[in-house]
Amino acid sequence: DTAVSQTPKYLVTQMGNDKSIKCEQNLGHDTMYWYKQDSKKFLKIMFSYNNKELIINETVPNRFSPKSPDKAHLNLHINSLELGDSAVYFCASSHNTGSSNQPQHFGDGTRLSIL
Amino acid sequence: DQQVKQNSPSLSVQEGRISILNCDYTNSMFDYFLWYKKYPAEGPTFLISISSIKDKNEDGRFTVFLNKSAKHLSLHIVPSQPGDSAVYFCAASGPGNTGKLIFGQGTTLQVKP
Repeated sequence: DTAVSQTPKYLVTQMGNDKSIKCEQNLGHDTMYWYKQDSKKFLKIMFSYNNKELIINETVPNRFSPKSPDKAHLNLHINSLELGDSAVYFCASSHNTGSSNQPQHFGDGTRLSIL
Repeated sequence: DQQVKQNSPSLSVQEGRISILNCDYTNSMFDYFLWYKKYPAEGPTFLISISSIKDKNEDGRFTVFLNKSAKHLSLHIVPSQPGDSAVYFCAASGPGNTGKLIFGQGTTLQVKP
């Protein structure tokens, strides 16, 4: 009964390819996030969605496109993958952003390696 | 520009002793602070949080202290246990209700039996 689950856990692909990472949460949360942890271990927010509506869109290349079919899912599609996209991507969820005092719950990450 | 900093990349303590992890921030508008714990190959797990209207929050062996004038917070673990060995991330959010968390770079805690 995993709370926030991401698939795949590992993704190895060639430069230039297009790939997707899926995320699902069963916590009943209505806000979901994508974070990127780079080689220096910094965790940085990329996007957040609240009830399928985009709330946060950090300075991320437009090759990255999040898609939220419903409030329990937030997928991340990446076009034309580049070497610099190699990182661990974490999905998270929380109760709505009406209050900032809500901890976020994270998935176990997807390790993306670009060859 | 790093708004949340954990200046100690690692910390080693003996089992049973106190572990103190530190975090500094630069944005005085942050109003909510959290600590996360992360094991290898897993996602960060929420540990404890504190609102800027408080200066201390306690949950079992874990206590977070907030010093707003110094823009500093710390996590105390007493007594430390080998299972506490992990990477600890400090995070901050605010102002407003975007839910955007700014993370520090983490401190690796090793608790020796």
